[in-house]
Formats: sequence, C-alpha cells, structure tokens
Amino acid sequence: QKEVEQNSGPLSVPEGAIASLNCTYSDRGSQSFFWYRQYSGKSPELIMSIYSNGDKEDGRFTAQLNKASQYVSLLIRDSQPSDSATYLCAVKPVNDYKLSFGAGTTVTVRA
Amino acid sequence: SAVISQKPSRDICQRGTSLTIQCQVDSQVTMMFWYRQQPGQSLTLIATANQGSEATYESGFVIDKFPISRPNLTFSTLTVSNMSPEDSSIYLCSVGREVGEQFFGPGTRLTVL
Repeated sequence: QKEVEQNSGPLSVPEGAIASLNCTYSDRGSQSFFWYRQYSGKSPELIMSIYSNGDKEDGRFTAQLNKASQYVSLLIRDSQPSDSATYLCAVKPVNDYKLSFGAGTTVTVRA
Repeated sequence: SAVISQKPSRDICQRGTSLTIQCQVDSQVTMMFWYRQQPGQSLTLIATANQGSEATYESGFVIDKFPISRPNLTFSTLTVSNMSPEDSSIYLCSVGREVGEQFFGPGTRLTVL
C-alpha cells in the first residue's frame, strides 16, 4: 500500500465549477498535511497547510482533514483556467521530518 | 518563505560526465533536501543534506552517484556523477520547517545524451 494516494486524474472541470481533490494516507499518526500546486515546467508551490481536523479556507481553496478516516481533500471553488495544474498531496508522518508525496492529480479547467 | 535559487536552470550533458547543481537560500535553514522528478512523475527524495556531516540518502540512492555537500546553513550542492540517459530528470532542492512545510527551488532540468 502506498503511503499517500490521490484520486487518479486527469480531472476536467468547467470554469466556475468546484474541483474536488482527494488524498488518503496510511500512517495514522501523521500530523501535518500539505497541498502543492505544480504548473507544467515549474516547481511545486505550497498552497495549503492543515494540521487539525476540520476545514481550512484560504480564498477559493478549502482544505478538509479527517484524521479518523485518514483523509484530506482540497476543494477549489469557482475554478479558473489559471487553476489548471497538477496538485500534489504531501503528508508528514509521525516521528519523521520528511514528507511523503502522492502521485498528483492533474486538473484542467476548461473555459 | 525563503527565497531559493538553483544553478544551472537547465543543462544538456554527455553520457559519462558529471554535473554539479547548486542551491542557495537567502536565509539560514536547518533542513535542506534534494529531490528528483522524472517526466510525468511525482517527487522522489534523493537525500537530506546535513550541515557539517554526510548526507542521509534514501533507499536506491548512493553517495558515489549523488555526492552532496552542505558547507553552511544557506548552501548545498548535488552532483550527478557518471551520468546516463536514465538520469535525465528535474532536480529540485527544498528547505523545510519543523512542522513539515517545504519550499522548493525552481529546479534544474537535466538532459543526458
């Protein structure tokens, strides 16, 4: 079983819709969770960090964490063509300083 | 977040040669990492660059192939030695915080012919 799994893509959504990205992780003791956005040809950019159960909102982005279900998600509201990118879920396992990355989900927002 | 720069941004190299990639940070950081990202793939951690001591390598990566230096808290280098076409990839350095956040440099795109 992979440590971090993301829903397979690519995900295509119309402009203005909600894009929903899912991520599950295997280490129940994980404490820190991150979403990165990576445009084609660019390096990953941190867009959301979440550490406790519940929702965290930042502009059009909402991260949701459910530690009991070992599940973290990212919602992109009012999707724009500029949101077209690959989104990477990353998890910091307990007692480790390194991150485990998912394979990424590619999102395409069509005008 | 810290400002991270990498040199070179890209290079085309011949098989059997070596390339050294530099990573410079504008502030002192404790944790620095080197990743590889092959086309269409996610990030693979090569090693953690430790200041003043040998790097900590992940399974599948060895010091003879990927020697790393970390002379101070703002600078690190990764060398890709005796290159083959399979080493063609994007190499990224990152800096980390205690809570786990990592910030990435712009990357070095390496093509080996």
